[in-house]
Amino acid sequence: QQQVKQSPQSLIVQKGGISIINCAYENTAFDYFPWYQQFPGKGPALLIAIRPDVSEKKEGRFTISFNKSAKQFSLHIMDSQPGDSATYFCAASKYNFNKFYFGSGTKLNVKP
Amino acid sequence: DTEVTQTPKHLVMGMTNKKSLKCEQHMGHRAMYWYKQKAKKPPELMFVYSYEKLSINESVPSRFSPECPNSSLLNLHLHALQPEDSALYLCASSQVGRGGSYNEQFFGPGTRLTVL
Repeated sequence: QQQVKQSPQSLIVQKGGISIINCAYENTAFDYFPWYQQFPGKGPALLIAIRPDVSEKKEGRFTISFNKSAKQFSLHIMDSQPGDSATYFCAASKYNFNKFYFGSGTKLNVKP
Repeated sequence: DTEVTQTPKHLVMGMTNKKSLKCEQHMGHRAMYWYKQKAKKPPELMFVYSYEKLSINESVPSRFSPECPNSSLLNLHLHALQPEDSALYLCASSQVGRGGSYNEQFFGPGTRLTVL
């Protein structure tokens, strides 16, 4: 059973547009939700993360929106740039447990 | 120093070879991880070490043998691998907080392994 479902699988956005990637989870015990960015041939890099005590977290052009009742969270990339073209993974984990459940990934292509 | 380093970057080995992957971090993290990542897929957890002791083994075949010689180093010993084991092998580390909570994981660049 897939613990975290991510959509879309791929996304094409024009430069300056907004990129939106969605994730949904099943386990209500999850309480840490990171987003990772991965460029080809590189390891994933932590982009931004949120805990369920807040509904939104913003860092620069990147925002996580969190809906606890719907068990959904999403990544918004404002003013998307070609340099943002990468694969994005959402993940979830439980407090006091060191295993991440990753979404299937979204390949973002920002057209110049 | 806020990075995880992995060596080698690339490795090609035959099915009868024995090789090792190495990972190092100097962030004082006491949890270290091995992941396997196939193309266009998310990382799959293989092993977790916490305070230098193996805490999670995700039913990984015995041809993969992890070792944590100290709090900064993590090895993955490879023996008699199969072509389907070809993948990007990622190492990660994280803090272990109060009450055992694990914070964000920092990933290394990975070792691209090809098994012929």
